[in-house]
Order: sequence, then C-alpha cells, then structure tokens
Amino acid sequence: AQSVTQLDSQVPVFEEAPVELRCNYSSSVSVYLFWYVQYPNQGLQLLLKYLSGSTLVKGINGFEAEFNKSQTSFHLRKPSVHISDTAEYFCAVSRTNNAGKSTFGDGTTLTVKP
Amino acid sequence: DAGVTQSPTHLIKTRGQQVTLRCSPKSGHDTVSWYQQALGQGPQFIFQYYEEEERQRGNFPDRFSGHQFPNYSSELNVNALLLGDSALYLCASSSPGLSYEQYFGPGTRLTVT
Repeated sequence: AQSVTQLDSQVPVFEEAPVELRCNYSSSVSVYLFWYVQYPNQGLQLLLKYLSGSTLVKGINGFEAEFNKSQTSFHLRKPSVHISDTAEYFCAVSRTNNAGKSTFGDGTTLTVKP
Repeated sequence: DAGVTQSPTHLIKTRGQQVTLRCSPKSGHDTVSWYQQALGQGPQFIFQYYEEEERQRGNFPDRFSGHQFPNYSSELNVNALLLGDSALYLCASSSPGLSYEQYFGPGTRLTVT
C-alpha cells in the first residue's frame, strides 16, 4: 500500500516570497506523483504530475516540483507567490500499474499575506 | 467543453436515511472514481467504475454502493447514513488509456444530522 505525508499542515508566507510545500511518500512499487490545488468550496485542480523522465516537473501557475527517489519526496515550489495562491494543496500518489486509484496526503494550507 | 459535473451541490440528510449523488464525466472519459473528503483531510478513494462495473474499491463498507450508466455517468449511493458520513464527495473521471489523468468535479457537500 502507498502512503503520503505532507509535512506541514499550514504554511504562511508573504506575497512575492518563495515557498516550498513538502511531501514524502511510501510505496513498495513504482508510482506516479501529483500535486493538486483546492480553492474554497471547489474541487481539485491538477497542478503538475510526475510520470517518468526528468525529475524536475513544471506545472501551471508557476509551480514546479522535484521528484527525489532516494528521499522518496516530491516537494512543491514556487519562487514568488501571489495572494491568489492562497488555497489547500494536496500531494497524491498512485501505482503505475493501477493509476486510477490515488492516495492523498492530508493537505497543506498555504496562506499568502500582503 | 463541460468538465466533470456533480449534483446536487449540497444536501442535508438525517441519520439512517439513504442518499444518491450523481456525476457526469468529462466528455470523452469512460472511467469514474468517487472519493470522500472529510473536513480537514485529503480525499479517500471509495471505488471506481469502468464499463458499468465496479473495478476496484477502497476501504469503505457495503453501505456505499454505486452504478455506472451506458453514457458513463455514475451514481454513488449511501445507505443507513451515519454522522461520520458527513463530507465532501468528489467525482473524478479519466479517459481511456490515461487513467492517471483524473479530472475532478466540484463535489457534493453532504451533511448528516
């Protein structure tokens, strides 16, 4: 079975500062990795995904993430955040041979302050 | 192109009642998965439907059941509601051969009193 741990439940940051949201995963088999964003009263929107190849993955809204197999981590970064980035962020993992079933972390609340 | 749609948006039920939630997948998608998101937690996989059959299931009791119709839309049914069933229920769809690319709907907020 897979598991996902998001190391920070809340991350406050000032506007235009860089941010990193940390995610560690556990799995005995090959996995795909995802980051989703959820705005209040909305569903999940895919920010980026790692399937294979380059370990640095770029997504929408200026976000990027780096897959580190030895550390079993998939941290999300943005060099300069905006007020509009305030939301809940979820890291998720799925097995490569069963990609339709995702396991999610408990989320990190990013609050961007002016 | 409409994305994944879900209905209703909100509903309130009493313990012991039954509820049906509905999902229409994104155009071209044939696989539907359902997730339960309790307050302050990440989504948890309930089950997945493909070709009108339940293909896999998460750790949820038999009170949770579903159905997929020939047009790929899906229903989630929950019987004998408990207070702990209060959550946001998310539907996700994916296209043939791209099961990892899930598109989520806005969810149905279920409150059990």
